Amino acid sequence: GAVVSQHPSWVICKSGTSVKIECRSLDFQATTMFWYRQFPKQSLMLMATSNEGSKATYEQGVEKDKFLINHASLTLSTLTVTSAHPEDSSFYICSARDRVGASNSPLHFGNGTRLTVT
Amino acid sequence: QKEVEQNSGPLSVPEGAIASLNCTYSDRGSQSFFWYRQYSGKSPELIMFIYSNGDKEDGRFTAQLNKASQYVSLLIRDSQPSDSATYLCAVNQMSKFYFGTGTSLTVIP
Repeated sequence: GAVVSQHPSWVICKSGTSVKIECRSLDFQATTMFWYRQFPKQSLMLMATSNEGSKATYEQGVEKDKFLINHASLTLSTLTVTSAHPEDSSFYICSARDRVGASNSPLHFGNGTRLTVT
Repeated sequence: QKEVEQNSGPLSVPEGAIASLNCTYSDRGSQSFFWYRQYSGKSPELIMFIYSNGDKEDGRFTAQLNKASQYVSLLIRDSQPSDSATYLCAVNQMSKFYFGTGTSLTVIP
């Protein structure tokens, strides 16, 4: 089955630093990847759609200059949280869909990255 | 983000019973619907998906879709303690996936 690998699984950083999270599709190619954020006891909130070879599209209220997304290849997307602050502490999850699948095919999720900003 | 609503629960059922989880959505243009299970601290796992009105069965799980009522449900038969988790409804709207707040299910042995 489709496997999405996400690294790191957890990271602790100091306020003001930047953190990069990687998302890889291991056995399929993904034209599009999606980044979600989940706060405790809340649902997944779509942050942005990462498009291979073009700019990401961000959901309303998500700062594109703070959450930098790069989708340089069909198997890798990265999310960089710049100048992180404690309120950015959350569970970040990437997901992808096989490019050869139908537009209605399901998302496959990475294992998530738990970010703690001190 | 377009609204996807779920009863947050918690929902408790005895082992062996049927658990019924419900979800409504606001966007009539929604194309496909998914149920995911999420254990605490983990990422979501796909249970099943449904595109067409009616029922779709997969083992102990049955998804039901009624597009006219903008309603999708998940039935879990013969519930097991290992089914205890949060169940997330996801809706595909214009190729983006939006999630409900999830329903917490506890299956009591």
